[in-house]
Amino acid sequence: NAGVTQTPKFQVLKTGQSMTLQCAQDMNHEYMSWYRQDPGMGLRLIHYSVGAGITDQGEVPNGYNVSRSTTEDFPLRLLSAAPSQTSVYFCASSYPAGNTIYFGEGSWLTVV
Amino acid sequence: GDSVTQMEGPVTLSEEAFLTINCTYTATGYPSLFWYVQYPGEGLQLLLKATKADDKGSNKGFEATYRKETTSFHLEKGSVQVSDSAVYFCALGGAAGNKLTFGGGTRVLVKP
Repeated sequence: NAGVTQTPKFQVLKTGQSMTLQCAQDMNHEYMSWYRQDPGMGLRLIHYSVGAGITDQGEVPNGYNVSRSTTEDFPLRLLSAAPSQTSVYFCASSYPAGNTIYFGEGSWLTVV
Repeated sequence: GDSVTQMEGPVTLSEEAFLTINCTYTATGYPSLFWYVQYPGEGLQLLLKATKADDKGSNKGFEATYRKETTSFHLEKGSVQVSDSAVYFCALGGAAGNKLTFGGGTRVLVKP
């Protein structure tokens, strides 16, 4: 049982480059989301999705795009990377409200 | 909006010492409360949760009680081990799916 799978685990980008962080879950969860983790700030919600075809913004959405064409996949796109986007990114999924949220192992992104 | 405040670390303890990590929250409605743990180089794992007032969550010797009157969810363990060295995050979940609000995290270091 793979759970929530994120790729890549590590990535270095140059300022202005674009890239996509992949997230896939095999638990048939409706809810998926992306968080970023910065020192001393915990995790902050970037974007989330309540089901295929539905996405919405979280607390810190600027500079990121998402789409949800299938239940399983929820990619996060950085349109034009900036050093301020250096962070650790976590994808998460769950069944409806109140249930356990499962996190991926994280993607370490450095923008130089 | 919702917010979570937890004590800043790092917290350094000797093996078999008692651990307390304070967590207080501000939220509308009746959120669920969570403690997540992040071991070095890994993603977040759910440690325990409580979904209503006076509920006690427990796992791996850790406990936390949902105190609505003091809006708190303090984490405790009676006798820590070196393997408990990690970053601990307090979080609350609202009614809208898997949107979590995290505290800033508390790093715990247990020395032999």
